[in-house]
Amino acid sequence: AQSVTQLGSHVSVSEGALVLLRCNYSSSVPPYLFWYVQYPNQGLQLLLKYTSAATLVKGINGFEAEFKKSETSFHLTKPSAHMSDAAEYFCAVSDHGATNKLIFGTGTLLAVQP
Amino acid sequence: DAGVTQSPTHLIKTRGQHVTLRCSPISGHKSVSWYQQVLGQGPQFIFQYYEKEERGRGNFPDRFSARQFPNYSSELNVNALLLGDSALYLCASSLEEASIRKLGNEQFFGPGTRLTVL
Repeated sequence: AQSVTQLGSHVSVSEGALVLLRCNYSSSVPPYLFWYVQYPNQGLQLLLKYTSAATLVKGINGFEAEFKKSETSFHLTKPSAHMSDAAEYFCAVSDHGATNKLIFGTGTLLAVQP
Repeated sequence: DAGVTQSPTHLIKTRGQHVTLRCSPISGHKSVSWYQQVLGQGPQFIFQYYEKEERGRGNFPDRFSARQFPNYSSELNVNALLLGDSALYLCASSLEEASIRKLGNEQFFGPGTRLTVL
């Protein structure tokens, strides 16, 4: 069965600093991986997804993630944090069964300090 | 073009009551999924419907049920509410079901319905 683990429930960075949010996956088949962002009192917005094409995936708002099979990781990065990046971030893996249901991690709350 | 819409945005119920949540997918999307997000956790899959048929069900009790209508909108029903049902209920729509080999198909989420059970 697929699963994802997000390391660090809270991450705090200074404005302009590198953002690194960690996600490790477990899957017996090549995974489809996603990063979603959730702003307060809102739904989920897709940042980027990996579907077995290029291992370095670029998303919206300057975010990118690199799929590393050897490390079973799909960490999310952004070179320079902005105040508007403060939100909760979820890593997810797509189920390979009859549905394309998403299996989410527990989330990482990103705080950006001025 | 309108995104996924959900109603109501907030709801307060008492234990034992019944609740119906509604979702309208993006125009052209035939698949609707429901997720429950308890405070401090990631969303948990409840149901997926495609072309009015249930395609998947998560580990939720029979108190939870859903259906999809001919216009692809969907309802989630929860009976005999418990305090633990308090959560944000998210609806997501996508174009096609995974079984036709569109794995990795993106799901688009609505803003959610915040249910509080007292």
